[in-house]
Amino acid sequence: EAQVTQNPRYLITVTGKKLTVTCSQNMNHEYMSWYRQDPGLGLRQIYYSMNVEVTDKGDVPEGYKVSRKEKRNFPLILESPSPNQTSLYFCASSLSGDNQPQHFGDGTRLSIL
Amino acid sequence: SQQGEEDPQALSIQEGENATMNCSYKTSINNLQWYRQNSGRGLVHLILIRSNEREKHSGRLRVTLDTSKKSSSLLITASRAADTASYFCATVALWGTSYGKLTFGQGTILTVHP
Repeated sequence: EAQVTQNPRYLITVTGKKLTVTCSQNMNHEYMSWYRQDPGLGLRQIYYSMNVEVTDKGDVPEGYKVSRKEKRNFPLILESPSPNQTSLYFCASSLSGDNQPQHFGDGTRLSIL
Repeated sequence: SQQGEEDPQALSIQEGENATMNCSYKTSINNLQWYRQNSGRGLVHLILIRSNEREKHSGRLRVTLDTSKKSSSLLITASRAADTASYFCATVALWGTSYGKLTFGQGTILTVHP
């Protein structure tokens, strides 16, 4: 089954404790991205990747890092999480990013205390 | 920045009725997409319409695009209780620094009563 898999689905952690949210897709998609969804602010792009070893900032990249060492994986790293990063996070992928629908994971709900 | 504005913010209808949601945007676009989100879940792609297209159908869904007015509408015909969800329009800009970025509207919450 074609899917985008995020882990964990839920995480409660404390300020400053490094964490990684993993994202994996099995559709051989070149384009992957991360969004966060916040009440009143909607969905905003954090980072995106056009292909292996090619990443770039979205609208709200501060406090986040990403890497794309393999085509299928695109982890989101919070080196020193802070409470303002409490949010619902989505990973998405598409064949090329241009005129292609994006497939979303089920989301990761992060709470930073 | 959130470029899309959706109208209405919430819509409540009976099963069998049609639901129409509208979306406006500000910049020139490559394409416009509609997504559905069930409560607390991921977004599901519904339909993509390119900037040179005016109308597109998929099952009970009909999407129109008016680039001169920078607006789009999503019509769901013969709605079902299972259509209850939030619906988002998202645009991909014609040019800009963030390739493939979806810029989302705030969404319309649709409730379909059995």
